[in-house]
Amino acid sequence: NAGVTQTPKFQVLKTGQSMTLQCAQDMNHNSMYWYRQDPGMGLRLIYYSASEGTTDKGEVPNGYNVSRLNKREFSLRLESAAPSQTSVYFCASSEARGTVSSNYGYTFGSGTRLTVV
Amino acid sequence: RKEVEQDPGPFNVPEGATVAFNCTYSNSASQSFFWYRQDCRKEPKLLMSVYSSGNEDGRFTAQLNRASQYISLLIRDSKLSDSATYLCVVNRKYDYKLSFGAGTTVTVRA
Repeated sequence: NAGVTQTPKFQVLKTGQSMTLQCAQDMNHNSMYWYRQDPGMGLRLIYYSASEGTTDKGEVPNGYNVSRLNKREFSLRLESAAPSQTSVYFCASSEARGTVSSNYGYTFGSGTRLTVV
Repeated sequence: RKEVEQDPGPFNVPEGATVAFNCTYSNSASQSFFWYRQDCRKEPKLLMSVYSSGNEDGRFTAQLNRASQYISLLIRDSKLSDSATYLCVVNRKYDYKLSFGAGTTVTVRA
């Protein structure tokens, strides 16, 4: 089915370990995003990529890095995991492009539940 | 101040009832508005866009009040399947990034 695919779905890390969350979309969308969702906080933007070859910080980028590998794939890396990074991570994509006002909704992946102990 | 604020609820309503709730946004430059639905432990899914003149999609009606900077969602004839968290979402002109509210939880009981 067309959409956004995230892997893995679940992960437990020890403090200090590193890992990469993978995201791929097959809708030919230009823009991709990584959010984290914590109870009572709503979705908070970590990083986004407006188009292939560009990435920008969102609200909560500290402790994360991203790579827009190509138009389809946008990965999120935790270099040294901390308990504060325990969260549900969602990748999303949209058609938004250039300076056109974004009236496009997002399509989300099913999420990665990450626990750092 | 958060960019998008919502009453977290929960709103507990019987089947067939009407339930309505609002969200407020702080940035007057906000241009696009949406309601998303999120089921427990699932990803958010677009429910409907919100247009300046207000719009309906079946049993769902969305309204936008730019002067007071709030958006509303009304659900008529509630179904058990409407139980979910509803996220209010806005974005600014020429901005790729959507801002999400923390969500309003609705529980429809039999």
